[in-house]
Amino acid sequence: DGGITQSPKYLFRKEGQNVTLSCEQNLNHDAMYWYRQDPGQGLRLIYYSQIVNDFQKGDIAEGYSVSREKKESFPLTVTSAQKNPTAFYLCASSMGQGSGANVLTFGAGSRLTVL
Amino acid sequence: AQSVTQLDSQVPVFEEAPVELRCNYSSSVSVYLFWYVQYPNQGLQLLLKYLSGSTLVKGINGFEAEFNKSQTSFHLRKPSVHISDTAEYFCARENTGFQKLVFGTGTRLLVSP
Repeated sequence: DGGITQSPKYLFRKEGQNVTLSCEQNLNHDAMYWYRQDPGQGLRLIYYSQIVNDFQKGDIAEGYSVSREKKESFPLTVTSAQKNPTAFYLCASSMGQGSGANVLTFGAGSRLTVL
Repeated sequence: AQSVTQLDSQVPVFEEAPVELRCNYSSSVSVYLFWYVQYPNQGLQLLLKYLSGSTLVKGINGFEAEFNKSQTSFHLRKPSVHISDTAEYFCARENTGFQKLVFGTGTRLLVSP
């Protein structure tokens, strides 16, 4: 079945450490997204990529980095510069520009806790 | 700025009762609207979407929503809820062709027996 796989599901990190969250899709989607979810704040866009080897900052990109070397993969690194990284992180993908409405398919999420 | 407002953070309701979850969006020339559902510790899945045409949109699990341009609203309704509908519901918008979604803050639907 086609879908999006995020790993790990749960991750604990000490302050000052970088961590990388994996996101892989086999939907042949061009566009991929990372959202952060905090209670009562909905989803906020961190980074998005509409094509391989290109990505743009979203609304809350500070303290995060991404890469898009392959169409299927869009890993997110939470760096030590992110002041409040404890959150639920959601990866999504869509067919991309020219496909009409941007219907997103989401992964199951990764919960990051900073100790 | 484009925005989506979900005024109700939590809606408690009894099983088999009707429910309406409210969503208002800031006005725009042309907009797509969506409702997504999130079950605990899972990602979001699409319930329904409005692109154009009929203002009444039917989705999965018996949900429907009505696009009201004059009131800039896209409220979600279900005539009879089940325990399994307990989840968080997100309204989202996309300015036509812009390819970036803006989400509301979510409404937690709590269905009790």
